[in-house]
Amino acid sequence: SYELTQPPSVSVSPGQTAFITCSGDQLGFRYASWYQQQPGQSPVLVIYQGNRRPSGIPERFSGSNSGNTATLTIRGTQAMDEADYYCQAWDGSTAYVFGPGTRVTVL
Amino acid sequence: QVQLVESGGGVVQPGRSLRLSCAASGFTFSSFGMHWVRQAPGKGLEWVAVISYDTNYKDYAASVKGRFTISRDNSRNMLFLQMNSLGTDDTAFYYCAKASAREFDYWGQGALVTVSS
Repeated sequence: SYELTQPPSVSVSPGQTAFITCSGDQLGFRYASWYQQQPGQSPVLVIYQGNRRPSGIPERFSGSNSGNTATLTIRGTQAMDEADYYCQAWDGSTAYVFGPGTRVTVL
Repeated sequence: QVQLVESGGGVVQPGRSLRLSCAASGFTFSSFGMHWVRQAPGKGLEWVAVISYDTNYKDYAASVKGRFTISRDNSRNMLFLQMNSLGTDDTAFYYCAKASAREFDYWGQGALVTVSS
């Protein structure tokens, strides 16, 4: 079965840039999506098709793909960005797969 | 604006059944596929099931195949998940989510299902 891997946690200082990686076989060809989930809230789509941003999502969120890795970048990180972030991809057959999630802490 | 509101969650004994509903509004429900995604307390997200806009296509995660059934009523803008033979591993928040290509662009607030004796 297809699997995605993410670091369990990322720490970033306010105003700095956070990089959250997601790895999976040929992920760059699978159009990774990213979801933000704040404590006690439902997930929110922040990046889709690798690097597209839904309306209403701040420009400081961006995505990129290369080979087997997708990266979510948060520039000028703010305290409100502290949350769990999940990558997701379609396995090319039938299943929709999520990564295990990365807890972003703004110190 | 898009709204998805789940209902039907609760506490159920192992081996019993439960039916979740999701009321959709703010978009043309009959034009979009829909998903169920679940999240055990304190754990990550797990895709559960998908149904196409016209009900012709349905698919399930291996962990629920044969026990769960996804359905929809386009005349009422409603999505359903019939869950049978529930086990303690099925305890989770269940979210309905609107499909967009290969991602989930809107999510409901979730319904908690607790399987316990």
